[in-house]
Amino acid sequence: DIQMTQSPSSLSASVGDRVTIICRASQGISNFLAWFQQKPGKAPKSLIYAASGLQSGVPSRFSGSGSGTDFSLTISSLQPEDFATYYCQQYKTYPFTFGPGTKVDIK
Amino acid sequence: EVQLVESGGGLVQPGGSLRLSCAATGFSLSDYYMNWARQSPGKGLEWVGRSRDKAHSYTAEYAASVKGRFSISRDDSKNSVYLQMDSLKTEDTAVYYCARDLLRDRIWHAFEIWGRGTTVTVSS
Repeated sequence: DIQMTQSPSSLSASVGDRVTIICRASQGISNFLAWFQQKPGKAPKSLIYAASGLQSGVPSRFSGSGSGTDFSLTISSLQPEDFATYYCQQYKTYPFTFGPGTKVDIK
Repeated sequence: EVQLVESGGGLVQPGGSLRLSCAATGFSLSDYYMNWARQSPGKGLEWVGRSRDKAHSYTAEYAASVKGRFSISRDDSKNSVYLQMDSLKTEDTAVYYCARDLLRDRIWHAFEIWGRGTTVTVSS
């Protein structure tokens, strides 16, 4: 199985900060990488597909990049509604696997 | 509006069975790949299985942890997809989500639209 790791596991940031979350795959997955946002008690929400494709309706302050094994999610200017946990997921190979998550909270 | 609504969760004893439903509105389920995922209390996300679209005969793939115990089926007339869960274990306790894939440039991208989830508790 492909293992997904994320760093950091948590971070504290202020409104307006630029935030970057790193995701690494244990083997190459081309660009078959998605990012999700999850708030407490809610279902995950898709942000990014194919490593850098912005899902419909997602604000442009979210961006994704990377290919192969190394990926990143950047929030260019953190907003109050962005405080949440973020997960990456590979869908190149079965079983699909998720990263452990990165919790973004208020500094 | 495109929406997925799960139902069928509840309390079941170890070794028991449960069938979860995922009803779609705003689109035809038969045209889409569909997934099930789960999240144990306080834990991360785990992919459970994927059902291909009607054009691919609704064939399915499963996580090793549920293979042979869980199965995905569909009912086109009800625009619904199901997760049949047999031989349930305490470690199957989780919130279960269904999710629709996105087709873009002839590639299926996983988990575009998620339902709100339904809770399954396996306990004696």
